[in-house]
Amino acid sequence: QVQLVQSGAEVKKPGASVKVSCKASGYTFTSYGISWVRQAPGQGLEWMGWISAYNGNTNYAQKLQGRVTMTTDTSTSTAYMELRSLRSDDTAVYYCARAFGDTIFGDWGQGTLVTVSS
Amino acid sequence: QSALTQPASVSGSPGQSITISCTGTSSDVGSYNLVSWYQQHPGKAPKLMIYEVSKRPSGVSNRFSGSKSGNTASLTISGLQAEDEADYYCCSYAGSSTFEVVFGGGTKLTVL
Repeated sequence: QVQLVQSGAEVKKPGASVKVSCKASGYTFTSYGISWVRQAPGQGLEWMGWISAYNGNTNYAQKLQGRVTMTTDTSTSTAYMELRSLRSDDTAVYYCARAFGDTIFGDWGQGTLVTVSS
Repeated sequence: QSALTQPASVSGSPGQSITISCTGTSSDVGSYNLVSWYQQHPGKAPKLMIYEVSKRPSGVSNRFSGSKSGNTASLTISGLQAEDEADYYCCSYAGSSTFEVVFGGGTKLTVL
């Protein structure tokens, strides 16, 4: 069965960077994109961006341009999301999801809590 | 891009039907048939319920249906069941000059 397994929780100081991984299994990794969505505590969902696992093309949310980088490693079927210059309002659960289309996120990881605190 | 507008909460009794609205603009919901809906139970990852306005993924109950009129999309749940109690989020493509995806603020469904 399809699984997306994310890395564990992180605690970071303001200004630091975090890199979250998402290891996929149960499907051909390069046949789908991976989208990243985050959810601040008690808040709604926020789309962060998308990466093609086929050729590495990316699309990032405008508000995160310049601070976020999404990559993939096809040899291990793993996607990565790095967020830099962390602020307290980046505290959130970060999800990866297999993207069947622009807004079709069919399978999700379990989420990774990133806490930004001094 | 601004978030799509959803009611904060809706409620219904078991067996009843409810509808959750999702209002956007002519730049997102109104321009593309790329609206999807997600169900999220507390502490869990979201689950895709509807995509491309009205299509249901395999395994999702036919009690869930979607529609769109102008700049507003809707999710209807018929024959409400206790397990339907969750948060629901709409999502739309919003790109014109740039690729952008926007979510609604979420609606808490309470089954009375």
